[in-house]
Amino acid sequence: RKEVEQDPGPFNVPEGATVAFNCTYSNSASQSFFWYRQDCRKEPKLLMSVYSSGNEDGRFTAQLNRASQYISLLIRDSKLSDSATYLCVVNFGNEKLTFGTGTRLTIIP
Amino acid sequence: NAGVTQTPKFRVLKTGQSMTLLCAQDMNHEYMYWYRQDPGMGLRLIHYSVGEGTTAKGEVPDGYNVSRLKKQNFLLGLESAAPSQTSVYFCASSTLVVDGFTDTQYFGPGTRLTVL
Repeated sequence: RKEVEQDPGPFNVPEGATVAFNCTYSNSASQSFFWYRQDCRKEPKLLMSVYSSGNEDGRFTAQLNRASQYISLLIRDSKLSDSATYLCVVNFGNEKLTFGTGTRLTIIP
Repeated sequence: NAGVTQTPKFRVLKTGQSMTLLCAQDMNHEYMYWYRQDPGMGLRLIHYSVGEGTTAKGEVPDGYNVSRLKKQNFLLGLESAAPSQTSVYFCASSTLVVDGFTDTQYFGPGTRLTVL
C-alpha cells in the first residue's frame, strides 16, 4: 500500500462547479499535511497547509480527519485557472515530505 | 529573493556521459532535496541534505551522487548517464521546524534531462 494515496483522475468539471478530492495516508503518527498545485511542466507550489482539523482560503477548503487518516480539498466556484494537478503531501514526523502521485483536474468552459 | 534556482533548465546527454545539476537557494534553509518526476510515478526522492556537509539517500539513490559543500548549494551528479535517468529533476528546500521535522518545501523550476 502506498503511504499517500490519491485518486489520479482525471476530473473534468464545468466552470463554476464544486469539486472535491480525497487523499488517504498510512501513518497515524503523521505530523503535518499539505496540498500542492502543479501546472503542466512546472514545479509544485504550495496551495494550502493543513495543521489542525482543517482550514479555508477563499474558494479552497482543506479538511483533515485524523481518525480515518484522510485529508480532502474542496474547490468551490471553480475557474479555468484551477486546471492543474493537485498533490497531497504528508510529513510523517521527520525531515522528509511524502508526495501522492496527484489528481489531475481540468475545468471545462 | 530568487528562491530556489536550478541550472541547467534543459540538457541532452548520451549514454555514459556525466553531468552535474546545480541547485541554489537564498532563503537560508537548512534542508535541501533532489527529486525526479516521471509520468504516472509522482515525485520520488533521490537524495537529501539536512545541513551543510551532510547528505542522505532517498527512495531512488542509485546512479546519483550529491554534495552540499555550502549551505545554499546542493549538487546532483550523474557519473554515467543511462536512458532510465531521462526525467524531470526538481530541487527543493525547506526550513527546520521543531524536533527535526520539516515544513513547507519550496521547489526550483526543474531540469529536463534526456539521455539518449
